[in-house]
Amino acid sequence: DGGITQSPKYLFRKEGQNVTLSCEQNLNHDAMYWYRQDPGQGLRLIYYSQIVNDFQKGDIAEGYSVSREKKESFPLTVTSAQKNPTAFYLCASKPGEDTGELFFGEGSRLTVL
Amino acid sequence: GQNIDQPTEMTATEGAIVQINCTYQTSGFNGLFWYQQHAGEAPTFLSYNVLDGLEEKGRFSSFLSRSKGYSYLLLKELQMKDSASYLCAAMDSNYQLIWGAGTKLIIKP
Repeated sequence: DGGITQSPKYLFRKEGQNVTLSCEQNLNHDAMYWYRQDPGQGLRLIYYSQIVNDFQKGDIAEGYSVSREKKESFPLTVTSAQKNPTAFYLCASKPGEDTGELFFGEGSRLTVL
Repeated sequence: GQNIDQPTEMTATEGAIVQINCTYQTSGFNGLFWYQQHAGEAPTFLSYNVLDGLEEKGRFSSFLSRSKGYSYLLLKELQMKDSASYLCAAMDSNYQLIWGAGTKLIIKP
C-alpha cells in the first residue's frame, strides 16, 4: 500500500543534541512538507520541497535543516539551535505544489529532556 | 495578514448534527480544506471546496462562500468515533496552506 512513513514515532533528546526525523513516501509525489504542531496552534510550516535537490524555508525554519536527495525521502534535522524543539512533527506530501490534498505521515513526537 | 479562525471546542450529542465554522483571510485563494485529526494521530483529508456551495460526502458536508471568506463543516448522525479535532486550512495564491488552530469536537452519549 502507498503511504508516508515517519520514524521514530517517539523520540527523547537531551538539550544540545541534534536529532534527525525520517520521512519516506512511496506515492511518487513531487512535493513534500514538514510541519510542527503545538497545542492550541495551527500547523506551522518548517520546510518544503517541490523537487529533488531543492527545498524552501517555511515560516519557522530557524533551528531546522532538511535535505531532498531522493524523491522518496525528506529527512528533517532538529538542531541544538532550535530553542523549543519539544513538539509533534508531521511530514506530508502531495502530487504537486498546486494539486491535490496533503497526505500525512503518522507523526513523530519529540521531547527534549 | 493571513488568518484562519475557528472555534476552539464544541460539544454535541450522539446522533445529532453539528456545524463547525471557519472564517479566513488570505492573499489570494485557491481553495479550502477540512481535515480530521484524532488525538496523537495524523490529520486525514475530509473535503476540498474551491467554488461556492455545498459539497456532500456521506454524513459530512462542507460549504464555502468565497465572498464572505467563510466555510463550514456539517456532521450529521454523530457517532462517538467523530470525537476529534477538525482542522480548517485555506490555500493562498502561492499554493501554501494557512491552518486554523483546530476545533476539538466532543461527542456525548
